[in-house]
Amino acid sequence: KQEVTQIPAALSVPEGENLVLNCSFTDSAIYNLQWFRQDPGKGLTSLLLIQSSQREQTSGRLNASLDKSSGRSTLYIAASQPGDSATYLCAGRNSGNTPLVFGKGTRLSVIA
Amino acid sequence: GAVVSQHPSRVICKSGTSVKIECRSLDFQATTMFWYRQFPKQSLMLMATSNEGSKATYEQGVEKDKFLINHASLTLSTLTVTSAHPEDSSFYICSAVGRGDSPLHFGNGTRLTVT
Repeated sequence: KQEVTQIPAALSVPEGENLVLNCSFTDSAIYNLQWFRQDPGKGLTSLLLIQSSQREQTSGRLNASLDKSSGRSTLYIAASQPGDSATYLCAGRNSGNTPLVFGKGTRLSVIA
Repeated sequence: GAVVSQHPSRVICKSGTSVKIECRSLDFQATTMFWYRQFPKQSLMLMATSNEGSKATYEQGVEKDKFLINHASLTLSTLTVTSAHPEDSSFYICSAVGRGDSPLHFGNGTRLTVT
């Protein structure tokens, strides 16, 4: 059964810094991995989806990587802004009809 | 636009009453729907998986008689929290997936408060 771990649990950085959020998963036979953003009291916003055949995906200032052999994914945020403050969740699934398994998230604060 | 619609977004109910949450896929046939629960400052925990026309499969520790899930059509699944108690107060989120190699879409969640 897939297990997902995220470190750090919380991170505070000054505005403008580049940062990396880490995610690890236990089952290398991962179907896809997805990064989400969640604002307090809100639902999920999908940021990036990486299929098992891909190594990375990019969207604007965000870049996510996937390394199945090491069981790791990273979310890179360039030139962070206060509006990036949120909880970032990593989730993986093992097949097309299985659920996403979520990590506990990294709570990011970007200080102006 | 949203492809999965979840209602209501917020509900407050008294202890002992039942609450129904609806999850609809808007422009695709959802063969499978997943229901998650999220307690404050915790991650999303899978409660159950429902396939259209079949009984839901519940995760360990989730009471099937308390959390009734119905997936009677390819566009609608409902979660009914029966005899709600304050400890059931949580954020409930549904997600849906269609046939084949299709992505998984999430509803916006329902904030349940039981007083």
